[in-house]
Amino acid sequence: QVQLQESGPGLVRPSQTLSLTCTVYGDSVSSRGVGHYWNWVRQLPGKGLEWIGYFYYRGTTYYNPSLRSRVTISADASKNQLSLTLTSVTAADTAVYFCTRGRGSSSWYGDYWGQGILVPVSS
Amino acid sequence: QSVLTQPPSVSGAPGQRVTISCTGSSSNIGADFDVHWYQILPGAAPKLLIYSDTNRPAGVPDRFSGSKSGTSASLAITGLQAEDEADYFCQSYDSGLSGSVFGGGTKLTVL
Repeated sequence: QVQLQESGPGLVRPSQTLSLTCTVYGDSVSSRGVGHYWNWVRQLPGKGLEWIGYFYYRGTTYYNPSLRSRVTISADASKNQLSLTLTSVTAADTAVYFCTRGRGSSSWYGDYWGQGILVPVSS
Repeated sequence: QSVLTQPPSVSGAPGQRVTISCTGSSSNIGADFDVHWYQILPGAAPKLLIYSDTNRPAGVPDRFSGSKSGTSASLAITGLQAEDEADYFCQSYDSGLSGSVFGGGTKLTVL
């Protein structure tokens, strides 16, 4: 059974860097499994879901163009963790952040998701 | 504003059938990119309901079905149950943005 668990700070100050970790159980972030894209997705308050970006097992990353200048996604195979860093945050980055395992190709779908972590950005 | 448009809310009585639409454009659904659907219960992780337009993962009841035509897709729920009350989101790929896009979500209320 695949499980994902997000962790990180409970609060981030404006202009600072948001850093989150997603620990993966039951699969490997370095897996060569067909179509395993490890994604971060966020849900803004009262709004829909927004794709942030993904890490592909060979080290390929791809980001939402609207966030690309501030986002880095990486993976630590030794800890089997996916990481997200988002720089220069503002209140508009307040959201519930999810990590998800994507299956398929560029048109991936998330078959396993973490519970999500609420990250308020506030002074 | 989301790239994929969903109605903010739908409702139905127990046992009824409801549909949730997801309208895109020629750069996403209209380009025949796959559409996927998720259910989010309060405080829970998103649950995959339909993938690649019409496919149900193991364990998802056949009361849930997906379809696609032109630049739109739909999720149908038959035999509505109280536990179906949740938020539903569609997802696809957009060639203009070169990335995954989601709908704004639809809140289903079971009357």
